[in-house]
Amino acid sequence: EVQLVESGGGLVQPGGSLRLSCAASGFIFSNYNMNWVRQAPGKGLEWISYISATSGSIYYADSVKGRFTVSRDNAKNSLYLQMNSLRDDDTALYYCARAGDFDDWGQGTLVTISS
Amino acid sequence: QAVLTQPSSLSASPGASASLTCTLRGGINVDTYKIYWYQQKPGSPPQYLLSYQSDSDQQRGSGVPSRFSGSKDASANAGILLISGLQSEDEADYYCMIWHTRASVFGTGTKVTVL
Repeated sequence: EVQLVESGGGLVQPGGSLRLSCAASGFIFSNYNMNWVRQAPGKGLEWISYISATSGSIYYADSVKGRFTVSRDNAKNSLYLQMNSLRDDDTALYYCARAGDFDDWGQGTLVTISS
Repeated sequence: QAVLTQPSSLSASPGASASLTCTLRGGINVDTYKIYWYQQKPGSPPQYLLSYQSDSDQQRGSGVPSRFSGSKDASANAGILLISGLQSEDEADYYCMIWHTRASVFGTGTKVTVL
C-alpha cells in the first residue's frame, strides 16, 4: 500500500523558515517523480513544486520561486521542501503527491504563518 | 484570467448525471492536453479519479468506478468529467489539472451537491 506521510509543519513568524518532509513507503520511491501541493484554508489546490525521480528536473510555481527549495533523498525514501522568507499567504495545508498524475497523496501538514 | 476555470458549484439529484466542465484559457488548446480530475471530500486529501487525453487514452485511478468518465468539448475548449448515476457519496469538491509549460495548474474547483 502506498503511503505518503508529511511532517514538519507548524506555526512560524513571517520571514521565518520551515522544512517539510514527506516519508514514502509501499512503492519504489526512486522510480517516481514527486510534487508538493498546498491548499490554503477554505481555498483550492495550488501546485508549488515538482522534482523528477533523479532530481534532474525541478520546477516551481512563480509564487514560491526563489524562496522554496525541493529536494529528495532516494536512499531514505524521503521528499523535502525547504521554505524560506515565509509570508502570511503561505499559510496552508501542504501535501506531497506522487508522480505526474498525482495518483497518491499524503494527509498533509499544516503550515501557519503568523506573528 | 485563470488558466483553468470550473463552475463554482453544481447540484443534481441522486441517480442523475452530472457534467463538470473545465474550461481552458484562450490560447491553450484542449486538444493538446491531458486533463486530470480529482475528488476531494471535507477533511481529506484529494483523490485521483482519472486522466483523459482521448477516448483511447483514458485511465481511471485504482478503485474508481466506471460511472466516472472523461471527455473533451473542443468547441468549448473544455475538459469534461461525467458522473453517471450520481450517489450521495459523490458529494465533494472536484478539481481538474493540466501540465502547462513545466508547471502543474489546478482548476478553480467545483462543489458538487447531491440533493
